[in-house]
Amino acid sequence: EPEVTQTPSHQVTQMGQEVILRCVPISNHLYFYWYRQILGQKVEFLVSFYNNEISEKSEIFDDQFSVERPDGSNFTLKIRSTKLEDSAMYFCASSAQGSEQFFGPGTRLTVL
Amino acid sequence: KNEVEQSPQNLTAQEGEFITINCSYSVGISALHWLQQHPGGGIVSLFMLSSGKKKHGRLIATINIQEKHSSLHITASHPRDSAVYICAVKNTDKLIFGTGTRLQVFP
Repeated sequence: EPEVTQTPSHQVTQMGQEVILRCVPISNHLYFYWYRQILGQKVEFLVSFYNNEISEKSEIFDDQFSVERPDGSNFTLKIRSTKLEDSAMYFCASSAQGSEQFFGPGTRLTVL
Repeated sequence: KNEVEQSPQNLTAQEGEFITINCSYSVGISALHWLQQHPGGGIVSLFMLSSGKKKHGRLIATINIQEKHSSLHITASHPRDSAVYICAVKNTDKLIFGTGTRLQVFP
């Protein structure tokens, strides 16, 4: 069964460093999403992406964040200068038009 | 006020019991999802529904669009059902999540 994959599973970084979180969505899906979950809190929407552009973003998704689909398979989330409060689990999801979203296993980001 | 509210926050049950988890929302939606999150963190989609009722094995999900309310039922609960169950609504292009219901089923 096709699935969304994410790498790495755990990323530890120093405050101020750039990180890139990678996702491989399900191959025939056209809609891509990033969500985050701070420990002990609910999952929050960051950004949605369709047709090579951002279709919607939340207040959390400020100038420090960017997304890219550099080739036909990967979908990346970049945080330019990480802050302590960026520590969270980051989930990638993908969907076909009008269908449910399928989630990846997540990347746990720890900012020291 | 949260746009998606779930109740209860925590639920314990004996194996075999019938479980109900409730979700109310205050925004316009095109669909509602029920998701399961295990301690390792991964999120699995259980149902997506926009009207009526869906059933998959021992799980049943219902939605009442007029009342902006959905329920997830688990029949004949089992310890392996222990997880966090999350209601999320599709609003424009994004999902808005509830805080989740932590279910523990004891043998």
